[in-house]
Amino acid sequence: QSVLTQPPSASGTPGQRVTISCSGSNSNIGNNYVYWYQQVPGMAPKLLMERNDQRPSGVPDRFSGSKSGTSASLAISGLRSEDEADYYCASWDDSVSGPVVFGGGTKVTVL
Amino acid sequence: QLQVVESGGGVVQPGRSLRLSCVVSGFTFTYYGMHWVRQAPGKGLEWVALISHDGITTNYAASVKGRFAISRDNYNNSVSLQMNSLRPEDTAVYYCAKDRYGSGSADWDFWGQGTLVTVSS
Repeated sequence: QSVLTQPPSASGTPGQRVTISCSGSNSNIGNNYVYWYQQVPGMAPKLLMERNDQRPSGVPDRFSGSKSGTSASLAISGLRSEDEADYYCASWDDSVSGPVVFGGGTKVTVL
Repeated sequence: QLQVVESGGGVVQPGRSLRLSCVVSGFTFTYYGMHWVRQAPGKGLEWVALISHDGITTNYAASVKGRFAISRDNYNNSVSLQMNSLRPEDTAVYYCAKDRYGSGSADWDFWGQGTLVTVSS
């Protein structure tokens, strides 16, 4: 059981917009930054979004992040086949669950 | 070019020990915290341990506290994970990840390719 809650799956057709949610609490998302990692099958995770809504260098602007209260979301606009991957949210946690907690991951399928 | 390379994985019996190593290059190692993150077969990511840039601060997931120990050698640009009293549930790919900051955060900008640890009799 992950501390952060994500839907197990999401899907869309090429060109569509897909949104992934990540729900937590005051001890993590509510008082700390949210990070998103993308993991293509068989590969190591890659940092996709930092500090809630900042794209690291090289990440396409099709990806956007947001945070409100104890929840965060990752949006993928103009979905492409190469976006098919697992997406994980992560946050620092100030409680005994921490210091770092992940969501269970969301599998994005491009139909 | 920045590189993070893990080694030391393998098959080990329950109750035995294993030591993982992570060697890095291409950046000033002494500036940054380092982490170990694992992924059991078919499962999600689980944070395991962190060590601050100077090696003074360490922290562990509850599932490994008291059994695993993280350390670093700032002269040889390496970080290690000593794993004792291994259990079948420790079976996973173990990733070494570079923190963007010195003291530790959830902001990891470079990861190794991982090393597989299998705990089985």
